[in-house]
Amino acid sequence: EVQLLESGGNLVQPGGSLRLSCAASGFTFSSYAMTWVRQAPGKGLEWVSTISDGGDHTYYADSVKGRFTISRDNSKNTLYLQMDSLRAEDTAVYYCAKAPPHSSYFDYWGQGTLVTVSS
Amino acid sequence: EIVLTQSPATLSLSPGERATLSCRASQSVSYSLAWYQHKPGQAPRLLIYNASNRATGIPARFSGSGSGTDFTLTISSLEPDDFAVYYCQQRSSNWWTFGQGTKVEIK
Repeated sequence: EVQLLESGGNLVQPGGSLRLSCAASGFTFSSYAMTWVRQAPGKGLEWVSTISDGGDHTYYADSVKGRFTISRDNSKNTLYLQMDSLRAEDTAVYYCAKAPPHSSYFDYWGQGTLVTVSS
Repeated sequence: EIVLTQSPATLSLSPGERATLSCRASQSVSYSLAWYQHKPGQAPRLLIYNASNRATGIPARFSGSGSGTDFTLTISSLEPDDFAVYYCQQRSSNWWTFGQGTKVEIK
């Protein structure tokens, strides 16, 4: 059974940093691209960042480019999102999601972790 | 960037009724469109991929159609568990976007 478990969400002050983790199990983690998607309070889903299966290609939404860094450790079956220079508008539930090879969609998602940016 | 526009924003229906949700892309995405169901406090759930293929374990009452710029998600007969928010999503090059969502609520 595929499982994705996010952690690391917390309350942080504007300008601060946070690192999210997503522990994966039930599939060959190193064979799949992985993605972070977020949902701000009362808003819809927003794509944040994607990393290729080997970790050599990374992609970011304009809203987070230069502030967030996606990475992965295939030996630990874990995906990360380093979030720096956080803003109030980064407040959201952050989901990690798995993408089938050569696909345009996400077939499994985690339950999410809440990040609150506030003073 | 391809923009996805969903309509209506809210659909008020009764159990047993048919739900028709629309997603329009600002330019052609061919068949590369997916639909998700999302309930509060839960993980989003893939329903349909590549415009018309049901994901694993998705009931037959959910169907997707369309290509190019116009897509439809149809729920043939609403069950109580189907009241939720539905999102369409596409990928163009290395950029992914979601529609703003359609809330299907109990009338």
